[in-house]
Amino acid sequence: AQTVTQSQPEMSVQEAETVTLSCTYDTSESDYYLFWYKQPPSRQMILVIRQEAYKQQNATENRFSVNFQKAAKSFSLKISDSQLGDAAMYFCAYSGTASKLTFGTGTRLQVTL
Amino acid sequence: GAVVSQHPSRVICKSGTSVKIECRSLDFQATTMFWYRQFPKKSLMLMATSNEGSKATYEQGVEKDKFLINHASLTLSTLTVTSAHPEDSSFYICSARGPGLAGGPLGEQFFGPGTRLTVL
Repeated sequence: AQTVTQSQPEMSVQEAETVTLSCTYDTSESDYYLFWYKQPPSRQMILVIRQEAYKQQNATENRFSVNFQKAAKSFSLKISDSQLGDAAMYFCAYSGTASKLTFGTGTRLQVTL
Repeated sequence: GAVVSQHPSRVICKSGTSVKIECRSLDFQATTMFWYRQFPKKSLMLMATSNEGSKATYEQGVEKDKFLINHASLTLSTLTVTSAHPEDSSFYICSARGPGLAGGPLGEQFFGPGTRLTVL
């Protein structure tokens, strides 16, 4: 079974600074997707960024980028120029051939002035 | 983008009653829908996967007779919590995925806003 590990229960970043959230996963599959989801206080899950395992290039979406290290099974999220609206729970997730999402335990991100 | 709704957003019921939660894909046909449960300050745990027109596949440890899932059409799935008890109180989230959406069969799920169930 696949597992997703987020080792940082909480992180804090100052507004306009950069923060990196860590995620590692375990799988024996070669074809899969990795995701970062944001869950604000409203609890609506919002897709932040997606990475296909077969792509070597790291995905980027505006201020959000990932560092995907397939051999190390690592998938970290970098948020640049942090904004107050970035404060939320962030979940790393894996989707493989079973087409199910497996979530990590989440990282709560605080953004301070 | 793809929109998924859930109804109701909040429900309070007495112990022993049944509660139905609806999940609808508003602007796409959802061939697959997923139901998750989330405890406070915890992650999402997949309960079951439903494909339109077929029986749901439940995750290990989930009581299929307690959590009845029906995916009768390409835009609607329902979760019925039967004979609810206080320990069933939780936040329930559905998600949906359709054919041809970005990422294909391994791709993105679109999430509903969730339903908070409180059983007294």
